[in-house]
Amino acid sequence: SQQGEEDPQALSIQEGENATMNCSYKTSINNLQWYRQNSGRGLVHLILIRSNEREKHSGRLRVTLDTSKKSSSLLITASRAADTASYFCATARGYSTLTFGKGTMLLVSP
Amino acid sequence: EPEVTQTPSHQVTQMGQEVILRCVPISNHLYFYWYRQILGQKVEFLVSFYNNEISEKSEIFDDQFSVERPDGSNFTLKIRSTKLEDSAMYFCASSETPGNTIYFGEGSWLTVV
Repeated sequence: SQQGEEDPQALSIQEGENATMNCSYKTSINNLQWYRQNSGRGLVHLILIRSNEREKHSGRLRVTLDTSKKSSSLLITASRAADTASYFCATARGYSTLTFGKGTMLLVSP
Repeated sequence: EPEVTQTPSHQVTQMGQEVILRCVPISNHLYFYWYRQILGQKVEFLVSFYNNEISEKSEIFDDQFSVERPDGSNFTLKIRSTKLEDSAMYFCASSETPGNTIYFGEGSWLTVV
């Protein structure tokens, strides 16, 4: 089974629209972290949400976590062309190792 | 904002050669990691390191790989005899404590020819 699978694999929207990406996982987790990666670049941390939290906000980002459904979502509001990137969820079962999904490629057109 | 720095950004090496990838974790962080991402694939965990020893490693991290913290600031990944399939982006990461945010560097592209 795969831990941390994002959906959709690719998403194309216009500037100003909202983008929602989902992540599902199989086993219990300690926390879930979302990262952004521009093509060929490093992983930029966006938000960490712990297993006892249900929702977190950071600027235009909103992350939810439903441990009963083993799923999380990342919402980017009022998207900009600069948000174009791949977005990954990563789950931590213990306290350190992260297991990454394949990511969602987001394209925001001007 | 403090960041994880990695060198080199890109290295091309011949198959069978030894490679050392270097990282400077965030200064007050105690936990260090190496991950890799083969082109077009998932980011994969290699190894975690705490208190001068490996705390966890994956199946990928075989005898060809080793890690070291040679001084108070650097954290290195050595691949003893590179194979073609070692070609990947290697990410160093660090965290202050386990269970907290893990910060990644920009990565080192390794191309084995």
